[in-house]
Amino acid sequence: QQDLTQSPSVSASLGASVKLTCTLNSGLSSYAIAWHQQRPEKAPRYLMKVNGDGSHIKGDGIPDRFSGSSSGTERYLTISSLQPEDEADYYCQTWGTGVRKVFGGGTKLTVL
Amino acid sequence: EVQLLESGGGLVRPGGSLRLSCAASGFTFRDYGMGWVRQAPGKGLELVSEISGSGSYRTADYADSVKGRFSISKDNSKNTLYLQMDNLRAEDTAVYYCAKGGDWNVHYFDFWGQGTLVTVSS
Repeated sequence: QQDLTQSPSVSASLGASVKLTCTLNSGLSSYAIAWHQQRPEKAPRYLMKVNGDGSHIKGDGIPDRFSGSSSGTERYLTISSLQPEDEADYYCQTWGTGVRKVFGGGTKLTVL
Repeated sequence: EVQLLESGGGLVRPGGSLRLSCAASGFTFRDYGMGWVRQAPGKGLELVSEISGSGSYRTADYADSVKGRFSISKDNSKNTLYLQMDNLRAEDTAVYYCAKGGDWNVHYFDFWGQGTLVTVSS
């Protein structure tokens, strides 16, 4: 079983909202994660840390359109009012005892 | 303003060596763990290694694929992170990113460098 599981791809319309999911291995159900955005041909950019209780701490300059939440083994990144520049790969990362692969496989978000 | 500037990448033959450097500024370098993450062409992110703020211990094990060949180090007097890469293989071809940890023991990365490309080819 993977430590972190992400859907390979998601698409949503310009101006709409989308919720990306990162699922933790059941043995890591209380762990926090971090979300990172990687636009095409760019370096990753830290978005936020999401705790097991759903609280989140965003990085500097991250728009209010980005928010995080949590339910059980799932950690979410919600992007509202989708913009063209939100089209990117989104990776989740976790850490701690028992973690073997710290990064999820990434989700490619297409803005239609 | 936090800045991370990687250098040292390039073309190297299989079996060769490279040393990557990451010059940091804009924060108290000794207070934060750091790490190297790589991304092979068309692939996802892979943690290579992490090191504590003091530089005295690794906060995560090396990726299995690089154990015994790569070594991470941190010079707090020079605000610089290093990755020594020996016995390079074609599958080590990737963009290598330096990343700042969220705290002394890294835990997560809250700032990334722009990356340096390493190409291993004959």
